[in-house]
Parts: sequence; C-alpha cells; structure tokens
Amino acid sequence: NAGVTQTPKFRVLKTGQSMTLLCAQDMNHEYMYWYRQDPGMGLRLIHYSVGEGTTAKGEVPDGYNVSRLKKQNFLLGLESAAPSQTSVYFCASSYSGSDTEAFFGQGTRLTVV
Amino acid sequence: AQTVTQSQPEMSVQEAETVTLSCTYDTSENNYYLFWYKQPPSRQMILVIRQEAYKQQNATENRFSVNFQKAAKSFSLKISDSQLGDTAMYFCAFTSGTYKYIFGTGTRLKVLA
Repeated sequence: NAGVTQTPKFRVLKTGQSMTLLCAQDMNHEYMYWYRQDPGMGLRLIHYSVGEGTTAKGEVPDGYNVSRLKKQNFLLGLESAAPSQTSVYFCASSYSGSDTEAFFGQGTRLTVV
Repeated sequence: AQTVTQSQPEMSVQEAETVTLSCTYDTSENNYYLFWYKQPPSRQMILVIRQEAYKQQNATENRFSVNFQKAAKSFSLKISDSQLGDTAMYFCAFTSGTYKYIFGTGTRLKVLA
C-alpha cells in the first residue's frame, strides 16, 4: 500500500516563484491536511479539507492556497514564494476528523532563496 | 484556542532504561483524542499510541504506555526498555470534532548505547 504520497520530496525555489505540492492518498480518506514543520515550532496546520471539493483554513494559511478537486488528491500552492516559507511540508489524511489516526506522507523539504 | 505543550525540548536515556515524555493540553471540550507520534531521522511520522478521553484506562502498546490524567490535562508517554531505534522526535497531538490534530513542539529523544 502506498498510503500517502507527496511529490516532490525536495525543491529549491527563488523568491517570487510559484509551485504546487501534490499529495495523493489511496485509503479513501475523507479528511486531508497540509502542515508545515519548523524547528522548535512543531507541526502547524496550513489548510485542511473535510471532503472532495471542500477546503478550510488552518492556523497559518497566509501565502498558501489549496484545492481538492478529487477525493484522493490535495494540492498546496505557493503563488509567490518567500524565504519565510522555507520549511518541511507534510500532507496527512484521516478517515474521520477526530477519532482516528492521521497518516502522513514522507514530507517535502522546500527552500526559498 | 486549544494548545498542546511539550516542555522538554530534548531528553536522553540509557539503552534498556525507562524514560517519560511530558505533554499537557488545554481544552474546554469533553470528547477528544490524544496521540503520540514518533518522527525518526527518516522524517516519516509514525503513530505510537492513542488515547480516547472518555476511557479511564491508560493505553499501552508493547513497551509504550501513557499516563492520562484528564482532570490535570496531562498525557505523558513512558518508554520502557529503551532501544537505540527509539531515538527520534516525539510529538504529542490533540484532536476533537472541532479542532483538527493540533501538535506540540516536540521532544527530541536520544537513546544512548
């Protein structure tokens, strides 16, 4: 089972460039999430989705957009990358939003120079 | 807002010894779930153990157990017979119907040979 797959695994962007991170899950989960992980700050929720066609803001949504056109995919977009967006990004999915574990992808290390 | 606090940024333990990682949380919800995740150097997030708030019995998974004190809003993780493979970052997480997987800042555990 692939579980949750993120692409790419590494990326270097120049300030002002745009990019899209792709997350795909094959577990038929309704809920999907994007987090960023920074040293000393744990994982912070950027955006999440409770089902196909839905998105909602998390704790740190500014500078990011998301789309969930298909149930299995959750895309995270950076329209104009900034050095403050240098981070490790994790996608996760869960069957429900409250009582089941979240399954994580392997992370994407993004550096904005 | 719900918060999860891990007050020990780093800890170390001798191989075969026991170590306890602390986690406290703040919530006004009555029904919620708590998790401990492990993040080894590979960066993959792995579920260690989960606890339902409505259950008084502490969860156990092999060498891992929790001490859940609902009134004190405390959820500590005990690792018995520590192994070198337990070296990792450990994250405490909270989720409920309202709040989606809020993580603490993590505790970096090093098991010494």
